[in-house]
Amino acid sequence: DTAVSQTPKYLVTQMGNDKSIKCEQNLGHDTMYWYKQDSKKFLKIMFSYNNKELIINETVPNRFSPKSPDKAHLNLHINSLELGDSAVYFCASSHFNEQFFGPGTRLTVL
Amino acid sequence: AQKVTQAQTEISVVEKEDVTLDCVYETRDTTYYLFWYKQPPSGELVFLIRRNSFDEQNEISGRYSWNFQKSTSSFNFTITASQVVDSAVYFCALSDALKAAGNKLTFGGGTRVLVKP
Repeated sequence: DTAVSQTPKYLVTQMGNDKSIKCEQNLGHDTMYWYKQDSKKFLKIMFSYNNKELIINETVPNRFSPKSPDKAHLNLHINSLELGDSAVYFCASSHFNEQFFGPGTRLTVL
Repeated sequence: AQKVTQAQTEISVVEKEDVTLDCVYETRDTTYYLFWYKQPPSGELVFLIRRNSFDEQNEISGRYSWNFQKSTSSFNFTITASQVVDSAVYFCALSDALKAAGNKLTFGGGTRVLVKP
């Protein structure tokens, strides 16, 4: 049983396209997150949702829009993809202070 | 603002050597949590330990041990008798506490450990 799953695992696309990454957790957690890991391995939080409500929104371009249809799902939609968006995107969910990460989605923008 | 510094970007050791990874943090919170995560070449993030700011006891788990010193704002990690499978990037992270939701993790830059046979 996968606790936090992400689809797709790999995503290769052209500049200017719009793409989505999906995340699902079956842990019953109320809080979910998106983190971005750049090419230098630096990890930074992007968004957090608690019970479908946005509670953390770091300085992220408006082209990135998270959506949480229910507390088990947190999707990330990216418009007008740019070369600099190439990264690994990790979804996580948490119960209080322990965060469980998904396997990551490697996005490559050509 | 919270900050985590891992000054060592890469450490190379020969198998069976001990290796210590440094982590220094900054926070204005009096209550917080510290974490270590391992990212092997396969890319997933593996949780290793969580320590809250009120618990300064050192911890040992198998070949892994952690030294938390609040006085120096450090939370160092030692791998004893390293093995090739320990080769990975290790991240130290900090989160605030006392919130029921939205505890974002602030990560250090990571330390790449290469264990040679």
